[in-house]
Amino acid sequence: GQNIDQPTEMTATEGAIVQINCTYQTSGFNGLFWYQQHAGEAPTFLSYNVLDGLEEKGRFSSFLSRSKGYSYLLLKELQMKDSASYLCAVRDSNYQLIWGAGTKLIIKP
Amino acid sequence: DAMVIQNPRYQVTQFGKPVTLSCSQTLNHNVMYWYQQKSSQAPKLLFHYYDKDFNNEADTPDNFQSRRPNTSFCFLDIRSPGLGDAAMYLCATSRSNNGANVLTFGAGSRLTVL
Repeated sequence: GQNIDQPTEMTATEGAIVQINCTYQTSGFNGLFWYQQHAGEAPTFLSYNVLDGLEEKGRFSSFLSRSKGYSYLLLKELQMKDSASYLCAVRDSNYQLIWGAGTKLIIKP
Repeated sequence: DAMVIQNPRYQVTQFGKPVTLSCSQTLNHNVMYWYQQKSSQAPKLLFHYYDKDFNNEADTPDNFQSRRPNTSFCFLDIRSPGLGDAAMYLCATSRSNNGANVLTFGAGSRLTVL
């Protein structure tokens, strides 16, 4: 079967750096997405990786290793507003989006 | 601003009483999706439309139906809601369903079943 694994919950301190990992086993690969979802709200797009390497976008960066079936989302200079769930999703060979359950990130002052 | 709008944001219904949730988009995207998301779980795709072509997920219960009368609108009908159908229902759109096409989500409709 197809599977996305992410930690259920992480805690970090305001101003610090946190790395959220995602591993996947899917039928083929056509790109990996990271979405942010605040409690009770809709997911919003953060990043997209289809080739190996690091994509940087402001305070957020996303890394992909296709050979390892692995990605991470790196958040720098954490702010209280970054408290949210972070969802990893992979598009498989049939262009279906396979979603992880999300990592709830708690930011403490 | 171009966006995806869902109504109502909150819906309370009684066990077995039909419910219709609506979604409209001004993005002119070809693909529209309905997801069900329960607390701390991954969004679960119920069905999607590619233009007028309807694609039902194999494990979507018959209790869930959908209509897309035109490009801009899509409806989710829950014919006889059960307690297990209480969830957030998310509508999303994309220009296409391959490659880097990003899904744009509406704010969601939270369904409570009494």
